[in-house]
Amino acid sequence: QEQVVESGGGLVKPGGSLRLSCVASGFTFGDFYMSWIRQAPGKGLEWISYISGGGDKMIYADSVKGRFTISRDNAKNSLFLQMNSLRADDTAVYYCARCFWGCSGDRCWGWFDPWGQGTRATVSS
Amino acid sequence: SYELTQSPSVSVSPGQTASIPCSGYNLGDKYVSWYQQKPGQSPVLVIYQDNKRPSGIPERFSASNSGITATLIISVTQALDEADYYCQAWDRSTVVFGGGTKLTVL
Repeated sequence: QEQVVESGGGLVKPGGSLRLSCVASGFTFGDFYMSWIRQAPGKGLEWISYISGGGDKMIYADSVKGRFTISRDNAKNSLFLQMNSLRADDTAVYYCARCFWGCSGDRCWGWFDPWGQGTRATVSS
Repeated sequence: SYELTQSPSVSVSPGQTASIPCSGYNLGDKYVSWYQQKPGQSPVLVIYQDNKRPSGIPERFSASNSGITATLIISVTQALDEADYYCQAWDRSTVVFGGGTKLTVL
């Protein structure tokens, strides 16, 4: 069964750091892009970052650029998100998801499946 | 930055067809995916590449994408379809989600 499981969330003070982890199973991890997507309490989904299968391409949303770093360890089927300089508006459930990505000419696609159960990060003093 | 717009809520009677729109500039030129999220649960992919259903998703779920609007269609809507639905597209190396539509079955 293909699945991803996140961990590492918790309560942190503004300006602090957290490192989220995601372990994948049931598929060849290194063959796929992976992504982090978050959901603030009562709000919608917000994509924040993805990384290529080989780890050589990382893209970030403007809201986290310069503060968050995505990485992966294909030998351990693991995805990470290092979150620094955390702010109250980073409070959210963080989901890890496998990304199916590709392009045909100028038209690119990408969808997310499966998603993990999420890990909650709360930034509060 | 690119934006996808969804109506906050849609209501439908059981057994009827629900249509959930998602709009964006030249959206028909992009591939759209749709996700279902029930309260307290993680999102689930229900449509990818405009109109393809993953295995395990009922045939009642279909979708279209043309012009500036993509539409998720749920035929013979059931109470268990009550959920939030999000559209998603890819724009110049970044990912965009719509704000979500709460589907109420009443």
